[in-house]
Amino acid sequence: SQTIHQWPATLVQPVGSPLSLECTVEGTSNPNLYWYRQAAGRGLQLLFYSVGIGQISSEVPQNLSASRPQDRQFILSSKKLLLSDSGFYLCAWSPARGRSIYEQYFGPGTRLTVT
Amino acid sequence: GENVEQHPSTLSVQEGDSAVIKCTYSDSASNYFPWYKQELGKRPQLIIDIRSNVGEKKDQRIAVTLNKTAKHFSLHITETQPEDSAVYFCAANHPHTGNQFYFGTGTSLTVIP
Repeated sequence: SQTIHQWPATLVQPVGSPLSLECTVEGTSNPNLYWYRQAAGRGLQLLFYSVGIGQISSEVPQNLSASRPQDRQFILSSKKLLLSDSGFYLCAWSPARGRSIYEQYFGPGTRLTVT
Repeated sequence: GENVEQHPSTLSVQEGDSAVIKCTYSDSASNYFPWYKQELGKRPQLIIDIRSNVGEKKDQRIAVTLNKTAKHFSLHITETQPEDSAVYFCAANHPHTGNQFYFGTGTSLTVIP
């Protein structure tokens, strides 16, 4: 079966510091991968998605970036964090083919607080 | 891009009653409509979904209906239980490269024992 991991689970960072969040998926190959952000008490905002290694599409212009160095690894980064970057960051995956092609499954998330 | 609206934002029901959450979408190309349940501090969990070639789908106490012409879909929970209390999100996909989801703003459901 497929498993999705995210780390760290929680993170407290000062304004202006860099960020690196990691997401990995097990048990599948060539998945579509997604980064979402959820502000406190709010909905889910799609930040980036990727359909393959090195292929990144951005939904919202901001000071964040994403990379996919390996098939099942998705990284979210920032060079300088802003207070508004605080939130719950969720990675998700979906199969690239098959009957469940449309379904997305979320990782456990990283709770980021920028101070 | 796709715009998904969700109502109501909060909903309180007595245990055993039914709950209905409604969503509308704007992109006629959307062909997949999932519903997620998110408990406090947890990840969203897929609870039911519907594709555009189906008008209704049911799984035990939960059901989803889709009206493609009107571009709206709804979640129905019958015989509600306290453990149904959570935030529920609807979404619509953009079915081209990447199959991105666009989420509604969520409904906080409280089931009163």
